[in-house]
Amino acid sequence: EAGVTQFPSHSVIEKGQTVTLRCDPISGHDNLYWYRRVMGKEIKFLLHFVKESKQDESGMPNNRFLAERTGGTYSTLKVQPAELEDSGVYFCASSQVRLVNEQFFGPGTRLTVL
Amino acid sequence: AQSVTQPDIHITVSEGASLELRCNYSYGATPYLFWYVQSPGQGLQLLLKYFSGDTLVQGIKGFEAEFKRSQSSFNLRKPSVHWSDAAEYFCAVGARHTGNQFYFGTGTSLTVIP
Repeated sequence: EAGVTQFPSHSVIEKGQTVTLRCDPISGHDNLYWYRRVMGKEIKFLLHFVKESKQDESGMPNNRFLAERTGGTYSTLKVQPAELEDSGVYFCASSQVRLVNEQFFGPGTRLTVL
Repeated sequence: AQSVTQPDIHITVSEGASLELRCNYSYGATPYLFWYVQSPGQGLQLLLKYFSGDTLVQGIKGFEAEFKRSQSSFNLRKPSVHWSDAAEYFCAVGARHTGNQFYFGTGTSLTVIP
């Protein structure tokens, strides 16, 4: 069974540009989460999808971040325009049931904003 | 508010030595507790989890952790460290009413010397 995949693995952009991160969850997992780790800090929750619906987006930093999940399958996280403080590692996770359970994490996308 | 503290940013141990990574949490009810490990270029892999029952839980790769409610701790242990254990370790707390988001510590980076 394929795990959670994320693309790209690394992205380097300049301040003001737009970047789109993609996450493909494990097939059949209705729950999809985005997290972010800023260097030296803890991994922080951004938002949670149940199928195509946003269940909780309380962790989204501001309106420069837009997450979508088309048809309840893969998800994208767009940052527009990117700022220096957006640099970090963005993790995606998925889980099978709507309970606290094992969340399967992807390898992350390292975003560097110059 | 929920929070997780991993007081050791970096630990160095000799191969074959024992290991204990500390984790303290702040949470108003019985937490669900997790330890994840991230090796370079890999996603976060679940080592073990505690939901209820026996407070000493066994995980993969020879790791174990003990839940101590009185100390609000969930320390990770391994009796004999292998060079392949060098990685970053994250403690996390989750609970159903928070929408299934996890709260992570800042991580502990483990170096294993021969």
